[in-house]
Amino acid sequence: AQSVTQLGSHVSVSEGALVLLRCNYSSSVPPYLFWYVQYPNQGLQLLLKYTSAATLVKGINGFEAEFKKSETSFHLTKPSAHMSDAAEYFCAVLNAGGTSYGKLTFGQGTILTVHP
Amino acid sequence: DTGVSQDPRHKITKRGQNVTFRCDPISEHNRLYWYRQTLGQGPEFLTYFQNEAQLEKSRLLSDRFSAERPKGSFSTLEIQRTEQGDSAMYLCASSYGTMGTEAFFGQGTRLTVV
Repeated sequence: AQSVTQLGSHVSVSEGALVLLRCNYSSSVPPYLFWYVQYPNQGLQLLLKYTSAATLVKGINGFEAEFKKSETSFHLTKPSAHMSDAAEYFCAVLNAGGTSYGKLTFGQGTILTVHP
Repeated sequence: DTGVSQDPRHKITKRGQNVTFRCDPISEHNRLYWYRQTLGQGPEFLTYFQNEAQLEKSRLLSDRFSAERPKGSFSTLEIQRTEQGDSAMYLCASSYGTMGTEAFFGQGTRLTVV
């Protein structure tokens, strides 16, 4: 079974500081990995995805993530936080086979707070 | 295309009542998923359709829950005899294409059972 662990349920940074949100995955096959963002009372919006091409993936709003197979990690980073980045972030792994084709397994989420 | 649409956005119901939610996926998306998200948790998979066929149901989906996708277009999720534990955000997502294609999510339906 595939799983995702997000380290740190809350992360707080100052505006302009580096954002680092951690995600570790478990998968018996090469994974497809995603980061989604959720604003209060909204659905999920895709930030970026890893589909076995380049290990460094660039997404929207200046976010990027690096796939590290040896560490089973897919951490999300942004060089300089903006107030508008305050939201909840979810890492997810895609089920790649069987009748659960396309099903996502999500981590618990990390709430990002950005201070002025 | 306006994306995945869910209706209603909010629903308050009394315990024991039945509720039905609707999801309109992005047109031409053949896969449709329902997830449930409780406060402080990530979304959890409930069920999945490929076209009109329901291919998988999670163990989270008790006998009080039923989902349909007639003609492979919109989908409905019905909860019978609602319980307070059913209070959650219900999210619908759709996707199309080869493996790795991302799922697009709707805004969700927030259910409160009082």
